[in-house]
Amino acid sequence: DGGITQSPKYLFRKEGQNVTLSCEQNLNHDAMYWYRQDPGQGLRLIYYSQIVNDFQKGDIAEGYSVSREKKESFPLTVTSAQKNPTAFYLCASSIAFGSRDTGELFFGEGSRLTVL
Amino acid sequence: KNEVEQSPQNLTAQEGEFITINCSYSVGISALHWLQQHPGGGIVSLFMLSSGKKKHGRLIATINIQEKHSSLHITASHPRDSAVYICAVSPWGGGGADGLTFGKGTHLIIQP
Repeated sequence: DGGITQSPKYLFRKEGQNVTLSCEQNLNHDAMYWYRQDPGQGLRLIYYSQIVNDFQKGDIAEGYSVSREKKESFPLTVTSAQKNPTAFYLCASSIAFGSRDTGELFFGEGSRLTVL
Repeated sequence: KNEVEQSPQNLTAQEGEFITINCSYSVGISALHWLQQHPGGGIVSLFMLSSGKKKHGRLIATINIQEKHSSLHITASHPRDSAVYICAVSPWGGGGADGLTFGKGTHLIIQP
């Protein structure tokens, strides 16, 4: 079955450590996205990628980095520069970017990061 | 940026009841998405619509472009419908998912 796989589901990090969240899709989608979800707030865009080897900052990119070396993979690194990294992180993909609309969005199951 | 408001924030109902969740936005859009976030955290896309009405099983989504308002209805609600329902809007001119604005969600609990 096609879909998006995020790992790990739960992650604990000490302050000062970088962590990388994995996102893999087998939907053959060009566009991939990372969102952050905090209690009582709507999803906020961290980074997005329209195509391999290209990515753009979203609304809250500070303290995060990404790469898009393969079409199916879009890992997110939460660096020590991110001041408040404890949150729920969601990866998504869609068939196309920049058209009139994204088309249907497909989401992973999410990764919950807790900083100790 | 668009302001997206959902109501109610929380809703508890009995099994079998007809459920309505509302979404209002402030600026004209190209499309509106209804998403379901289940208790484990994963999100599923329910509908994407730009006009009129769509139906899938017991779920119905409507949109009124002139009034900048959309509703999600659930008929014959069931405990498995318990989830957070999220509205998201795409601005005119597309812009892809980088332009999506999300509501804060409606937390629905259906009691047996």
